[in-house]
This record gives sequence, structure tokens and C-alpha cells, in this order.
Amino acid sequence: QSALTQPASVSGSPGQSITISCTGTPRDVGGYNYVSWYQHHPGKAPKLVIFDVSNRPSEVSYRFSGSKSGSTASLTISGLQTEDEADYYCNSYTTSGTVIFGGGTHLTVL
Amino acid sequence: QVQLVQSGAEVKRPGASVKVSCKASGYTFNSYFINWVRQAPGQGLEWMGWISGYNGNTKYAQKFQGRVTMTIDTSTSTAYMELRSLKSDDTAVYHCAKERVSFTITAGFDTWGQGTLVTVSS
Repeated sequence: QSALTQPASVSGSPGQSITISCTGTPRDVGGYNYVSWYQHHPGKAPKLVIFDVSNRPSEVSYRFSGSKSGSTASLTISGLQTEDEADYYCNSYTTSGTVIFGGGTHLTVL
Repeated sequence: QVQLVQSGAEVKRPGASVKVSCKASGYTFNSYFINWVRQAPGQGLEWMGWISGYNGNTKYAQKFQGRVTMTIDTSTSTAYMELRSLKSDDTAVYHCAKERVSFTITAGFDTWGQGTLVTVSS
């Protein structure tokens, strides 16, 4: 099964908002509300920032939000800060009972 | 606090096997699934499989079927991932990650191990 499709890179200036897309199929993203997003700084463990499409762990900033339409999920980061610069990955539960990740998106804060 | 602590870095020859451990603490081990995820140099995250902390049931990614075995030891709250017939492109950082919801797979991994670097080289 191929990875979920994410843009390789996005960029924005401090204070701006960006959106990262994550496109799958009806067998994964489109079939369940089990899409999560992770922030990954090199050399550190990934950090869960959104679960179940649009829910945010209590320790994650309100600037992070998620949504889904059909088989495409999106992560929006508002009020960009320099520390948001990282790699971002989506993942989804699938009809096969497995989990699939997106290819990852590098966010540059200019 | 909830924590997953993994075993140290390994260097293996092609064709060998590696077994990585992941010791859990701070939560009820047998109520949650543990997933294994790897990241090769310059590549993205890749899901390898999950194992139930309750009964040891497993589900593996098709890519690793026949080459990976995931096990648990409930007496020590430890999960293990063994990968056999290693190739150079198995060189990666291997993470264990705890499922967020008890007795359920939601693909929400709320706690991650620190990662174990496995290097496969002749």
C-alpha cells in the first residue's frame, strides 16, 4: 500500500498560517475519523499534535488544528513561530486493520 | 509519567537478525497496543506493525510479513521487535509508540520511545 500523499515542503513567515494536506483513499483517510498528525524535529521522537482528525492533545498549542473532507485531511498551523519549523506526518487507520503514514512535509518558517 | 525506553544502538551484518526492546512504565501495559515505526536516513516514517499488550495479537505491514516478529513480556511490561534477514536498506531508527486509546487502534500514538539506531553494514 502506498503512503498517504503530502506535499514535500511548505513555508511561511512568522505570524502567518499554513495548511498541509494529506490525501488518501476511501480505504483509509476517507473511511475513518482516525487521522493523526505528528511534529518531528530531527533527532527527537515524533510528537502527536492532532488525533481523530481534529482533536488536540491538552499540551499542544491551540494554533494547531485539523480537518478532513472526503479522503483528504489537513493540518493548519496559525500564528507561525520559528519553533514550528519541523517535519510533519499524517497517518491513518486502514480497512485492513493496519496503519499508514504520509510521506512527510518539511515546514520552513522564513 | 508514561514512558517507553528502548534498547541501545545495534550494528549488524547483512543476513543477521536484530531484536529491539521497548520497556513501558507509567501506565497499564496490558491495556494498550504498541506500534513499531521506523525511519531510514533521509526518509519518512514507516509503520511496521502493532502488538496488543493484552494478548499479544499482532498485525504487520505487508512489506515486513515473514521477516518481522513482535512479542511482549507482560511480567516486565516490555515489547520486542525482531527483524530477520537484514539488508542494508533496513538501516534506520526504530521507534516503539503507544496507542492513545485503550484496547483500540486509532493510529494516534501519544507516547514514543527514544528510538534505536540499527545499522546494517558489511
